[in-house]
Order: sequence, then structure tokens, then C-alpha cells
Amino acid sequence: AQKITQTQPGMFVQEKEAVTLDCTYDTSDPSYGLFWYKQPSSGEMIFLIYQGSYDQQNATEGRYSLNFQKARKSANLVISASQLGDSAMYFCAMREDNTGTASKLTFGTGTRLQVTL
Amino acid sequence: EAGVAQSPRYKIIEKRQSVAFWCNPISGHATLYWYQQILGQGPKLLIQFQNNGVVDDSQLPKDRFSAERLKGVDSTLKIQPAKLEDSAVYLCASSLNPPGKGKTQYFGPGTRLLVL
Repeated sequence: AQKITQTQPGMFVQEKEAVTLDCTYDTSDPSYGLFWYKQPSSGEMIFLIYQGSYDQQNATEGRYSLNFQKARKSANLVISASQLGDSAMYFCAMREDNTGTASKLTFGTGTRLQVTL
Repeated sequence: EAGVAQSPRYKIIEKRQSVAFWCNPISGHATLYWYQQILGQGPKLLIQFQNNGVVDDSQLPKDRFSAERLKGVDSTLKIQPAKLEDSAVYLCASSLNPPGKGKTQYFGPGTRLLVL
């Protein structure tokens, strides 16, 4: 089974509008972390936001917020007031804390966001 | 603060040739990761180092891939011999130990490899 599922291969949003990128995950580990990364065409993975499984509140970082619904195992990224520079690939990733000494990230297949005028 | 450095940025080789990639993590980051990202997919972990020791290389094709981090700082990933399916972006990442917020990993710009 896929551990991280991103069902939207591509999304369009108008400048200044908000957009939600979907992410669902699958784990039996009670302790885990969820991450969102942005990958522009230059290729670098840029960390955006983190949510821990025990965090009571949804994470926010500037224009980014994470809509964490633990029971549904979803961790959607919300970008408010989209800008042209937000056009990029967006990856959801998970780290499971009780899998030994490794702290690797498991990534989804990504969503390509295009911001239009 | 300097980010994760990688070189070269691009490499084109023929199949059966060898190639090496270099990574210098963020200063003070004890954990270093190498990921392979095939076009249209998310990154996949190849190997993780804690200082100069390997903690996870379960997805590293050991018949052709090797990696080392001899002094616990910079690292080299080698492919010998290369196959067509090794065409990908190779990303290096690092994180703090003990971990910082959420054990966040910080990525370098990647090396784009094309095998012909």
C-alpha cells in the first residue's frame, strides 16, 4: 500500500486565490511527522511546513497552513493568496518515528501547481 | 548559513561508465541522506549516514551503487557501471543530530544524471 498518496497530478489557481493540495497517508506508527516540500524547476527541495502526529494545533508558516485530520489520515497543504512564484511541484512526505534508527522520509508522487494571472 | 552543496549539477554519461557525485551538508548536521528522484516521482532514499556510519542502505542497489562519508562531513555517491534506468536527479539532504524541529531535512540542489 502507498504510504503517501497525492491524488492531484496537477492544479491551477489564479493569483491571489487560495489553493488546497491533498495528501493522505498510511501508517500504524503512533508517532510520525508530516512534511510538505516545494520543488521549483531548479530542482531543489524547499521545506515548507511540518506537522507532528501529537501536535494539537494545525501547523502554520506564513501563507502556508497544514489541515491535519488525524482520523482521516490526511494532511492537506493550504496556500493562501497564491503568487506566481508558487508555481512548482509540491511533495507531501512522512517520517515514521518507530522504525529503528532511520529517520527517512517517504514521499508522495507530487502535485504540480500552476499559478495563473 | 550555507546550505547543502552538491556537485556536479549535471552529468551525461554512457551506459556502463562510472560516475561520482559529491555532497557537503550544512555545518553541524550529523545526518546525511542520498535520495534518487526519477522523473515524475517523489524522491526515494538510497542511503542514510549518521556521522560516518550507515544507518539505512536497504534501498541502495549495492551491486552498482556505493557511498561513503569517511570523515563524517562530506559524502560521495558512486555508480559503477551505470545503467539507463539510473537516469535521475540525485538529491543530498542533511539534518541535525539531535534533531531540530521535526527532524527537518534540508536538501541540496541535486545532480541531474543522464545515462545514454
